[in-house]
Amino acid sequence: EVQLVESGGGLVKPGGSLRLSCAASGFTFNNAWMNWVRQAAGKGLEWIGRIRSKIDGGATDYAEFVKGRFTISRDDSINTLFLQLNILETDDTAVYYCTTRGGGTYYGIGDYFDYWGQGTLVTVSS
Amino acid sequence: DIQMTQSPSSLSASVGDRVTITCRAGQGISKFLAWYQQKPGKVPNLLIYATSTLQSGVPSRFSGSGSGTDFTLTISSLQPEDVATYYCQKYNSAPLTFGGGTKVEIK
Repeated sequence: EVQLVESGGGLVKPGGSLRLSCAASGFTFNNAWMNWVRQAAGKGLEWIGRIRSKIDGGATDYAEFVKGRFTISRDDSINTLFLQLNILETDDTAVYYCTTRGGGTYYGIGDYFDYWGQGTLVTVSS
Repeated sequence: DIQMTQSPSSLSASVGDRVTITCRAGQGISKFLAWYQQKPGKVPNLLIYATSTLQSGVPSRFSGSGSGTDFTLTISSLQPEDVATYYCQKYNSAPLTFGGGTKVEIK
């Protein structure tokens, strides 16, 4: 069974930093492209960015609003995805989800999201 | 970046009604369009990928169609358990943008 378990959320002041983790199991993590998506209360889904598998180059892609403030990384030795959040703003308050298609061929098939974690809440407030 | 525009933003229909939600991409995205269902208080769930391929376990009353820039999610006979917000998403290339969502309620 695929499991994605996010952690690391909490209350942080504007301008502060936070590091989120997503522990993955039930699939071959090192083959999977991993994504972060967020959702503010009562709002829609917002894609943050992704990291490709190392075998596919390991590159990252980000949404424009990230503007260099967020960094996605992965540690395949412990099947964990990370999201470093810096220079946080009140508008970054949201539930942050990690999500993935879980592996397979990505080129020509694409990167939609079969599996989602339960999310971790980040609250940015003074 | 390619914008994804969903309409309507909300709708109310009766049980058994046929419901149609549209999603328009700012540029052509070929077939790389997915639909997600998010029930209140729950995590999003993949319904359809590659425009029209039903994810395993999704009821056959859900269907998707379209290509290029215009896409449609159809619920052939609305059921009470279909109350949710539905999102389209492009995934041909980054950024993997979501539409704004369509909230479906029972009349």
